[in-house]
Amino acid sequence: DTGVSQDPRHKITKRGQNVTFRCDPISEHNRLYWYRQTLGQGPEFLTYFQNEAQLEKSRLLSDRFSAERPKGSFSTLEIQRTEQGDSAMYLCASSKTGRFGYEQYFGPGTRLTVT
Amino acid sequence: AQRVTQPEKLLSVFKGAPVELKCNYSYSGSPELFWYVQYSRQRLQLLLRHISRESIKGFTADLNKGETSFHLKKPFAQEEDSAMYYCALVFPSGSARQLTFGSGTQLTVLP
Repeated sequence: DTGVSQDPRHKITKRGQNVTFRCDPISEHNRLYWYRQTLGQGPEFLTYFQNEAQLEKSRLLSDRFSAERPKGSFSTLEIQRTEQGDSAMYLCASSKTGRFGYEQYFGPGTRLTVT
Repeated sequence: AQRVTQPEKLLSVFKGAPVELKCNYSYSGSPELFWYVQYSRQRLQLLLRHISRESIKGFTADLNKGETSFHLKKPFAQEEDSAMYYCALVFPSGSARQLTFGSGTQLTVLP
């Protein structure tokens, strides 16, 4: 296991199209996070899964965004009817429950450009 | 609302000079604080966390609850320390334990 992986690494789409990103966490990690990072800013929390349950969502996660984690393994983040403001780096992170269970390991990110 | 502030977007120092990256937070309780680093073309990775009081790659950070600060320090900067540094915190009362990040400081260590 080489760490958290994300696919695709880059996505260019036209405004109004739907896009879906995938995250594969470290295999024994039960916690999975999605963050969004725009230019010049730190990552901002979007949503959190513990196993297959989506337990928390940020106000940043509009109705056009949906995330799933079927069977508690990989996760997908879908953006419907993309807007130019959705252009950002989307980061996935995973961690496991434990003494330092909040140590999150990040993936390389998916850079979305909406034209 | 909880917030993490990194006042310097850019910081340049010469090799061998001391470096301090500032981080202030706004939270009335006792957050858990971290420094993350992102080297060029690499993913974000944990550098250190305050509860373990560790020194990683010569870096240390002390939590000052009175000043609500968690500055990152290194006595002698090296060129390989050039990277983007993010201060982040977790609120222990939350179940998600999501990270709240500052906007980052780009450190450049000059030869």
